[in-house]
Order: sequence, then structure tokens, then C-alpha cells
Amino acid sequence: TQLLEQSPQFLSIQEGENLTVYCNSSSVFSSLQWYRQEPGEGPVLLVTVVTGGEVKKLKRLTFQFGDARKDSSLHITAAQPGDTGLYLCAGDKVGDDKIIFGKGTRLHILP
Amino acid sequence: GAGVSQSPSNKVTEKGKDVELRCDPISGHTALYWYRQRLGQGLEFLIYFQGNSAPDKSGLPSDRFSAERTGESVSTLTIQRTQQEDSAVYLCASSGGIWGKLFFGSGTQLSVL
Repeated sequence: TQLLEQSPQFLSIQEGENLTVYCNSSSVFSSLQWYRQEPGEGPVLLVTVVTGGEVKKLKRLTFQFGDARKDSSLHITAAQPGDTGLYLCAGDKVGDDKIIFGKGTRLHILP
Repeated sequence: GAGVSQSPSNKVTEKGKDVELRCDPISGHTALYWYRQRLGQGLEFLIYFQGNSAPDKSGLPSDRFSAERTGESVSTLTIQRTQQEDSAVYLCASSGGIWGKLFFGSGTQLSVL
């Protein structure tokens, strides 16, 4: 059973377009994180959200944690080729402090 | 060192052989994780060490897999009698202080022929 479901699995869009990717669960999480991974490297943390309804912005990236702390979204404005990569959501379920990951969204931005 | 170090970076082995993968976490980090990543997939949790607590082994796929950690230092992941389906990148991460922030090594690419 996959606790964190990410959608879409793959997304290929033109440079300059906007996009949103999603991370959903039926479980409540103490915190959710978004990581980005490039080929041959380990994932790198982009952001952590801990409060239901929280919104965080990182330049052109906007992250939101659902009110019930069961889901999160990542919105990218004016996507650039440098945004290409595997985006992974991760989190620790309430009552369990280990970090688990979703299967990721593979994003490809076409120049 | 400044980051998480994993060795070897690549390992090719024959089916049925045992392999040992090593992880050197960031000094002072109390938490250490092992994950498996198959080609094009997300990270599959294997095992989690936190300080002196008993490790969470709930993600180990079979009894051929085991891991040890010496105090809050080096960890080794051992796979006995390797099978072709064990081929994957094995990633180690450590964490300390900042909630949820994992620092990853570059992984060990394991290929079982």
C-alpha cells in the first residue's frame, strides 16, 4: 500500500507554462516535505510544511499543506528547463517518526 | 566529511553472492535511513535508525536484507544471496536537528547479473 500518492507520474510542458503536482494520502501527517532529485544524485530538500493550510513560497515555487494535513501541492509558475527533475513528496505519519516517500512526479520542461 | 558518503558508488555482483554497502552519515546526526530506488521510481523505505532506539526494520523486503549501525556513526546494509530483483540504487540519508530534513548520499548502484 502506497501511503503517499503523487500525481501526475509524468509531466512534460513548454517553458513558461504553469503547473501543479499533487501529493495525497488517506493518513494524517505531522509534516510533509518536497524534494527534488536529479539523475545520479540523492534527493535535495526544497521545503517542509508542518501546519494545516500552510503556504510557503520559494521563488517561482509555491507549496501548500492541506487543512487536514493529508495532502500537499507544488505549483510552479513560468516553468524553466532548469526545473526538470523528479519531484518527491515525503513525510512522517502521525504516530510514526520515520520519513516515507511517494513515487514521485517526473517533470520535463521543454525549451 | 561535509556530507553523507556512500561506498562503493557502483557494485556489480553475481546472483547468489553477498554484498555489503556502507554509509558514513554527517557527524552528529542521530537519524539514519536506507532507501531503495528502482530505475525511474520513488524511494522505498528499508530501515531507520534513531539514536540508541531499536531500529525500525519494517521496510526490509526479506530476511536476506539486514543493516547495522555503530552508535551514531557508520552503517552497513548487507544483502545475502543477491537476486536480480535486488538491482537498484541504494540511498542512505541522515538527519539531525532540523525536523524532516534528510541529507542524502549519492547512492550505491547495485547490479546483480
